[in-house]
Amino acid sequence: QSVLTQPPSVSGAPGQRVTISCTGSSSNIGAGYDVHWYQQLPGTAPKLLIYGNSNRPSGVPDRFSGSKSGTSASLAITGLQAEDEADYYCQSYDSSLSGSLVFGGGTKLTVL
Amino acid sequence: QVTLKESGPVLVKPTETLTLTCTVSGFSLSNARMGVSWIRQPPGKALEWLAHIFSNDEKSYSTSLKSRLTISKDTSKSQVVLTMTNMDPVDTATYYCARIHGGGTDFDYWGQGTLVTVSS
Repeated sequence: QSVLTQPPSVSGAPGQRVTISCTGSSSNIGAGYDVHWYQQLPGTAPKLLIYGNSNRPSGVPDRFSGSKSGTSASLAITGLQAEDEADYYCQSYDSSLSGSLVFGGGTKLTVL
Repeated sequence: QVTLKESGPVLVKPTETLTLTCTVSGFSLSNARMGVSWIRQPPGKALEWLAHIFSNDEKSYSTSLKSRLTISKDTSKSQVVLTMTNMDPVDTATYYCARIHGGGTDFDYWGQGTLVTVSS
């Protein structure tokens, strides 16, 4: 059971917009700690996609965007492409677990 | 160019102690506000954070695994070492090391990962 809750799967057709939610609590996202998002392509290490809730590292297309509100955060992907098919993870910090870094359970994105 | 590379045994027996090494390049482990974490991922499952070591040698551990983990670093060798005692088949996973820098909590660079199987 992950501290951060994500839907197990989402899907969308090429060109569409999809969102992935990440729900936390008052000891992590709700406490104001930043949320980060990672993309993991099959058989590869995770890659930082969004940091500090809504910032994109250099090289990440602006089709990817992040937001945060209250105890939840969201990752939005617009103009869906076949190469976006991957697992996506949110991550934050939790103050109730002796200062632990925590991940969501991951969401599998399928491009139809 | 920042890189991290994990190394260690591919196979360990139940009850044995696992020792993994993360060798970094392109940055120094002594740089202020720099740190390295270990993260694992069982086959087909989610990422799980294990431990972190900061540039000032401060350490933090996953609450659920704290009793079994030790993280350390050798700045001169650019290495971060994780030991996990009393290994069990459920600890079978790909183990990653990843960097945090600038006082944030995001992992900006990851190693390729190393698969460790626990089996007799």
